[in-house]
Amino acid sequence: EAEVAQSPRYKITEKSQAVAFWCDPISGHATLYWYRQILGQGPELLVQFQDESVVDDSQLPKDRFSAERLKGVDSTLKIQPAELGDSAMYLCASSSSTGDAFFGQGTRLTVV
Amino acid sequence: QQQVKQSPQSLIVQKGGISIINCAYENTAFDYFPWYQQFPGKGPALLIAIRPDVSEKKEGRFTISFNKSAKQFSLHIMDSQPGDSATYFCAASTQGGSEKLVFGKGTKLTVNP
Repeated sequence: EAEVAQSPRYKITEKSQAVAFWCDPISGHATLYWYRQILGQGPELLVQFQDESVVDDSQLPKDRFSAERLKGVDSTLKIQPAELGDSAMYLCASSSSTGDAFFGQGTRLTVV
Repeated sequence: QQQVKQSPQSLIVQKGGISIINCAYENTAFDYFPWYQQFPGKGPALLIAIRPDVSEKKEGRFTISFNKSAKQFSLHIMDSQPGDSATYFCAASTQGGSEKLVFGKGTKLTVNP
């Protein structure tokens, strides 16, 4: 069964350091999303790509977060510098034209 | 207007019982309503989704009921099992699901054996 792959699964980083997350969507899925989920809450969109283009980054804190999907396949989300409040689960999802979005297992980030 | 309100926050049912989780929305442009199941430390898994052209959709023990006029939709889990114990999220999207998902705050379901 096709899955969205994310790495790493867990990341501990010190405040002010840089951190990066990687996502490989389900093959053939043109739409890729990065969501952030704070413990006890629902996921919230950070950025949405259609192929290699950003279609929604209105909730991405652009002073410290960046995202790219250079070849329209896999994607990287970067935080620099990390802050204590960035501790959360970072989820990648992908969808095809049907609209059904499938999530990866996420990266649990802890900033100390 | 972008919010999706989910209730209850937590739910305890006995094995074999029916679990019911409700969601309400305001944005009439929403036209795609999925439910996700999430276990601790895992990503959300798509359970079932509905679009407004139907009032009910059933997949196995899971049923979505949709009331367009009331702007409400609900998830029913029949014959609830201990393995169903998880957090359930409703969500909504526009453009048939091609836009971002707006999630409810989640319901933690516990099914007692």
